[in-house]
Amino acid sequence: ETGVTQTPRHLVMGMTNKKSLKCEQHLGHNAMYWYKQSAKKPLELMFVYSLEERVENNSVPSRFSPECPNSSHLFLHLHTLQPEDSALYLCASSQENIRQSLNSPLHFGNGTRLTVT
Amino acid sequence: QKEVEQNSGPLSVPEGAIASLNCTYSDRVSQSFFWYRQYSGKSPELIMSIYSNGDKEDGRFTAQLNKASQYVSLLIRDSQPSDSATYLCAVTPTGGTSYGKLTFGQGTILTVHP
Repeated sequence: ETGVTQTPRHLVMGMTNKKSLKCEQHLGHNAMYWYKQSAKKPLELMFVYSLEERVENNSVPSRFSPECPNSSHLFLHLHTLQPEDSALYLCASSQENIRQSLNSPLHFGNGTRLTVT
Repeated sequence: QKEVEQNSGPLSVPEGAIASLNCTYSDRVSQSFFWYRQYSGKSPELIMSIYSNGDKEDGRFTAQLNKASQYVSLLIRDSQPSDSATYLCAVTPTGGTSYGKLTFGQGTILTVHP
């Protein structure tokens, strides 16, 4: 049972659709992330939120729009996607302490398998 | 040059053998190192974390870190078919504003055959 829950597990959408991915963490962590995993490529960091403030936007196209209403919830709003955006989208969380020099590991959700047709 | 590079594999070992997974990284200021296991169709799960030079053992898993050589490895002793998965090496720079952002390698597929 994961402490990070993602919905939906699978999503098929056309290029003109608008959909949202949802993530909820039950671990009391203060940072949340969106990662993209495409076939044959390393996991790519998309967005980082710390204490509900976006601290990283890793050159992600504007058709991906994140939202973090509180420290437990994270959304990824999708619109006018392209077929090459088909991938596994992973949400993760961690407990970060800026006074600590070492990073905490990430805890991942089960991901949303997105197919853009 | 890839920031985090793993031996591409796939790696196939017989049951009971030692599986050795290797990872090199390019950022010298990297401080935190992680190994994740990812079964097909599942999300990555943390296997080991290591922060200091040397070996760290946890059950059948041993992580080895050599910062001078910018090298981290994972050894799996007494490999089992259930260890068959993709193993991801992940590295972060110094903490603080890095907020745990991980750079992942491309993964090594491990198959343990009976």
